[in-house]
Amino acid sequence: GNSVTQMEGPVTLSEEAFLTINCTYTATGYPSLFWYVQYPGEGLQLLLKATKADDKGSNKGFEATYRKETTSFHLEKGSVQVSDSAVYFCALISGSARQLTFGSGTQLTVLP
Amino acid sequence: EPEVTQTPSHQVTQMGQEVILRCVPISNHLYFYWYRQILGQKVEFLVSFYNNEISEKSEIFDDQFSVERPDGSNFTLKIRSTKLEDSAMYFCASSSSGILAKNEKLFFGSGTQLSVL
Repeated sequence: GNSVTQMEGPVTLSEEAFLTINCTYTATGYPSLFWYVQYPGEGLQLLLKATKADDKGSNKGFEATYRKETTSFHLEKGSVQVSDSAVYFCALISGSARQLTFGSGTQLTVLP
Repeated sequence: EPEVTQTPSHQVTQMGQEVILRCVPISNHLYFYWYRQILGQKVEFLVSFYNNEISEKSEIFDDQFSVERPDGSNFTLKIRSTKLEDSAMYFCASSSSGILAKNEKLFFGSGTQLSVL
């Protein structure tokens, strides 16, 4: 079956630090990969996605590259801000499935 | 941006009681979902709903669970007799076409934290 393994948190960084949150997956076929973010008191929001190997998803300074050879989709940002403090979820959907498979989420706290 | 609304944000109940979690999906969406996250664990799919019937459900979604779209706007999750292990954050979501892999976007609510005592 499908599964997503995500770097455990919490992660605490100073403002302007470099961020990496690791995500690896197991899936049948060729999944689409996603990062969702949940800011305090809000719902899960799609941050970025990649639908095929070597695609790079990007949004709000965050990037993730679909690496089929390492089955990874690590989230990176060059310089985090306090406003990036949130929980980040890696997820995938495979084939014709209508359900997302999520990782357990990583709590990021950015200190001023 | 349009929003999925969930109420209440927190619900506390006694074991064995029935609870109904409520969601208002985005108005022109046709596919509706419930996910849940037990503290410290993964977000898990429960059920998807389309055209007034369940289209998929996970093994978690047993006979204690039911979903309903009682009117044109609400989408509810009912747990008939709650157990301690039902304590979790429950997320409602909706989408317009159900084809999530490519260009479709899934919109989530902010969740209902259910605590079963």
